[in-house]
Amino acid sequence: SAVISQKPSRDICQRGTSLTIQCQVDSQVTMMFWYRQQPGQSLTLIATANQGSEATYESGFVIDKFPISRPNLTFSTLTVSNMSPEDSSIYLCSVFGTGTGEAFFGQGTRLTVV
Amino acid sequence: DQQVKQNSPSLSVQEGRISILNCDYTNSMFDYFLWYKKYPAEGPTFLISISSIKDKNEDGRFTVFLNKSAKHLSLHIVPSQPGDSAVYFCAASVSSGGNNRKLIWGLGTSLAVNP
Repeated sequence: SAVISQKPSRDICQRGTSLTIQCQVDSQVTMMFWYRQQPGQSLTLIATANQGSEATYESGFVIDKFPISRPNLTFSTLTVSNMSPEDSSIYLCSVFGTGTGEAFFGQGTRLTVV
Repeated sequence: DQQVKQNSPSLSVQEGRISILNCDYTNSMFDYFLWYKKYPAEGPTFLISISSIKDKNEDGRFTVFLNKSAKHLSLHIVPSQPGDSAVYFCAASVSSGGNNRKLIWGLGTSLAVNP
């Protein structure tokens, strides 16, 4: 298993500002995943962060809005830029375990944009 | 296009009875299926998985059944306990090239186990 520490756990932000979410894993992993869970919705993959290369973004998500850093094999950040109320969501960091494809998650960041 | 579908948004059962949560999928390339449990204000917690080459996997009170021909899987919890009350997500794992994988998620089913 993997232990993932994510912070902040929650924040209330003004529209137009940016928030950076940090994710720390207790072991080295090649890929880290950033998800969003909007109210009443499922988990939606934003991007995959690989160490040493640009993040790979899913359809509907762009680097200018959600820049990602991956400076080493245990850490990543996701920035939500120029926020609007539509960005209010839970943001989750995830990694795959070494077993049968299960993924492990941080506790999430609950973002409210006002 | 919802590749993983959980058609029941909620389920209510009595303590001690069986809870059955269902999940359907459309992509035959999925090779692992996973169930996660999520409490409010927490990230999802892995419960149990099943390989596409198997039809059953059991872990304590939790059993997952896979019917590949019907592209259907189900999670059985027996006996159900009030602490099982949570949102349950079905997810399917697929290779996205090389050693890369991604998970596709259902919308979740909110389970309430009543004392």
